[in-house]
Amino acid sequence: KQEVTQIPAALSVPEGENLVLNCSFTDSAIYNLQWFRQDPGKGLTSLLLIQSSQREQTSGRLNASLDKSSGRSTLYIAASQPGDSATYLCAGRDDKIIFGKGTRLHILP
Amino acid sequence: NAGVTQTPKFQVLKTGQSMTLQCAQDMNHNSMYWYRQDPGMGLRLIYYSASEGTTDKGEVPNGYNVSRLNKREFSLRLESAAPSQTSVYFCASSPQLNTEAFFGQGTRLTVV
Repeated sequence: KQEVTQIPAALSVPEGENLVLNCSFTDSAIYNLQWFRQDPGKGLTSLLLIQSSQREQTSGRLNASLDKSSGRSTLYIAASQPGDSATYLCAGRDDKIIFGKGTRLHILP
Repeated sequence: NAGVTQTPKFQVLKTGQSMTLQCAQDMNHNSMYWYRQDPGMGLRLIYYSASEGTTDKGEVPNGYNVSRLNKREFSLRLESAAPSQTSVYFCASSPQLNTEAFFGQGTRLTVV
């Protein structure tokens, strides 16, 4: 059974800092791993999708990596901004999509 | 671009009442999913449909039924609502099993 864990559960950093969010999964037989952003009271916005054959994906200030052998993915956010404050969720994909509980990020102005 | 549309956005039910949450996608996606999101529990999969005509249980299927009405629509039914089913429900779809998933804006359900 796939289990996805995100550490830390919450994180506060000053504006401008670079930061890393962690995601681990128990079953390496995934098709892909997807990172989402969720603002309070809103739905999920897809940020990055990494296929199982890929090592990383980049979009603007975001970079996501995937290491299937160790069961880990990271989301790197460069030069953080107050607008980045949100909950970030990772999800591992086989025939189902299994989510971690998220990291609640707060960027301090 | 409608994407994934969920109706209703908000609903209050009394214990024992029944209702159906509707989900429709206009992207010609094969796979559709229903999740519930509760504080401290993250998103948990209720049911999914890998393709039209198939449905499978997820992590928390008890108390729910689903219907994949056609390729566009995937509904979630609560036959006898319970306070424990108070939650935010999200529907999602993706073209295939190994492709990006897209989510609706959610249905906030309160059972009193």
